[in-house]
This record gives sequence, C-alpha cells and structure tokens, in this order.
Amino acid sequence: KAGVTQTPRYLIKTRGQQVTLSCSPISGHRSVSWYQQTPGQGLQFLFEYFSETQRNKGNFPGRFSGRQFSNSRSEMNVSTLELGDSALYLCASSTGTSGSIGELFFGEGSRLTVL
Amino acid sequence: QKEVEQNSGPLSVPEGAIASLNCTYSDRGSQSFFWYRQYSGKSPELIMSIYSNGDKEDGRFTAQLNKASQYVSLLIRDSQPSDSATYLCAPEGGGYQKVTFGTGTKLQVIP
Repeated sequence: KAGVTQTPRYLIKTRGQQVTLSCSPISGHRSVSWYQQTPGQGLQFLFEYFSETQRNKGNFPGRFSGRQFSNSRSEMNVSTLELGDSALYLCASSTGTSGSIGELFFGEGSRLTVL
Repeated sequence: QKEVEQNSGPLSVPEGAIASLNCTYSDRGSQSFFWYRQYSGKSPELIMSIYSNGDKEDGRFTAQLNKASQYVSLLIRDSQPSDSATYLCAPEGGGYQKVTFGTGTKLQVIP
C-alpha cells in the first residue's frame, strides 16, 4: 500500500510570495490533517479535512488555508509568506470517522524556506 | 496550561535499560492516545495506540494509560541505540477537536 505522498519535498520562496503544498493520502483514508513543525514550536496543528469539509483549524492566521478534493487529496496554501513561515509542513492521513481522526500516518513533509 | 505536556529531555539511558517516557494531558474527555517516534530529519511514525485504561504491550514497548490521573506513559524495555529519537504523545483528535501534540521527549540510548 502506498504511503502518504507530499509534494514538493523542498522549496525556497521569498517574502510576500505564496506557496501551495500537495498531499495524497493513503488509499481509503478520508481524513487529512496538516501540521507545521519548527524547532522552537514543535508540531503544531494547522487544520483537518474529512470528506472535503474542514472540521477544525489550529491557531494560525488566515494566510494559511487548505482544501480537500473529492478523491481525498488535499492542498494547503500559504499567502504573503513571512520569514517565520519557514518550517517543515507535514501532512497526515487517517481512516477517520465522523467522530474521530484516528491513527495518523505522516508523509515525508515539505520543507519550506522563506528568504 | 498546555493541553499535552512532556518533558523535553534529553532522557539518556544506557543500552539495555528501561526508558520511561511520560505525558500528561488536560482534557478529561480524551479517550485514546498515540505515541509517535520521530527520528532526526524524518517524519513521525506511529508506534503505539492505547484506547483504554491499563497497559498495552507490543514487543519491547508498553503503553500505560491512567485516565484518573490524566497521564500516559511509554516504557521501552531493553533500549537499543536505534531507539534514540524524539517521542511524541498525542490524544486522539475527535472529529471537531483539533490534534494536539506534546513537545516530545528526546531519548538518547548510550551504547
């Protein structure tokens, strides 16, 4: 069974630009969640999608957004990039249910550097 | 108050010893917990799930959940250098509840 696939793996942007990251979940998984990981803040929850609906969102500004498609693939977008957005962005998929997210299976991440 | 708390470490144990990792949580409604292991430069991977009070054993790993005291622990027996990693604790996100990870405990197993 193929794992969670994230693209691109590495990218460099400049301040003010925007970026879109993609995540293909494990086949059959309906929940996709996104996380930001930095050395100082650890693993921070961004948002979670289940059956194309955003069920919850972490404490991030509106510049961070996402969506999920009918095939469960998900994208997240960060607009007006700031230096502090430099981080590893992780996507995780899970089987999920209407009442739970379940065990998370992580992709390898997209490492974003903002210059 | 942080929702999930872990000692950041590093926790250093000699090879062959028992490593004990602890996690406390504030949400009494949390029912299930997961332990993830993250090697340096890699993404987290699930190593243990525990859904009810008590102990759950899987090979060298034992997870313990005490809902009354609101803590969950992970014991690693016969620790190996390959166990050196950061261990993250997380209660299960429940539908409209966000997922909250502890800051992680860095474990170093000394040969």
